[in-house]
Amino acid sequence: NAGVMQNPRHLVRRRGQEARLRCSPMKGHSHVYWYRQLPEEGLKFMVYLQKENIIDESGMPKERFSAEFPKEGPSILRIQQVVRGDSAAYFCASSPLDRDGEQFFGPGTRLTVL
Amino acid sequence: QKEVEQDPGPLSVPEGAIVSLNCTYSNSAFQYFMWYRQYSRKGPELLMYTYSSGNKEDGRFTAQVDKSSKYISLFIRDSQPSDSATYLCAMVIQGAQKLVFGQGTRLTINP
Repeated sequence: NAGVMQNPRHLVRRRGQEARLRCSPMKGHSHVYWYRQLPEEGLKFMVYLQKENIIDESGMPKERFSAEFPKEGPSILRIQQVVRGDSAAYFCASSPLDRDGEQFFGPGTRLTVL
Repeated sequence: QKEVEQDPGPLSVPEGAIVSLNCTYSNSAFQYFMWYRQYSRKGPELLMYTYSSGNKEDGRFTAQVDKSSKYISLFIRDSQPSDSATYLCAMVIQGAQKLVFGQGTRLTINP
């Protein structure tokens, strides 16, 4: 049973470019979460999605960041016009329906903005 | 003040020692408590999941929750070098789904 899958594992972008991060949840999981981990900091919640719905985006920066979880295919975290401060590890997690907080994390995408 | 406080360490102990890791929190609405282990440049791995005050044991790991003191702990018995990692506490309000993490404690077990 494959775990949460994320790709790419490493992504390098120049300032002003777009970054697209993909996440496939564990089989049978319908809830997807994105978290960001800045160097020497803990994980910070960004957004919680179910299929075709954004449930909680209270942790998302107001500009340049967006997320989706379409009916078919992986969840996408999109960062437009990246800046150096966006350099971080971005983790996706998924959970089954009825277990508050029991989230399983993927290996992360490490974004470097030059 | 952060919602969840965790001493970042680093913490270094000899192999075989009992390790105690702790977090305190300020929001009494937190109902579910987790401990994650994160190896360098890897994703967090769920170790323990608890929702009531008291102890929960799984192998060499024991999670302890004291809601009256807003204090949670993770104990590791017979520690091994392979336990060297960063340990993150996390908690969530019932129904909210948004995990709030501590900063993480970097642990090294010396052979």
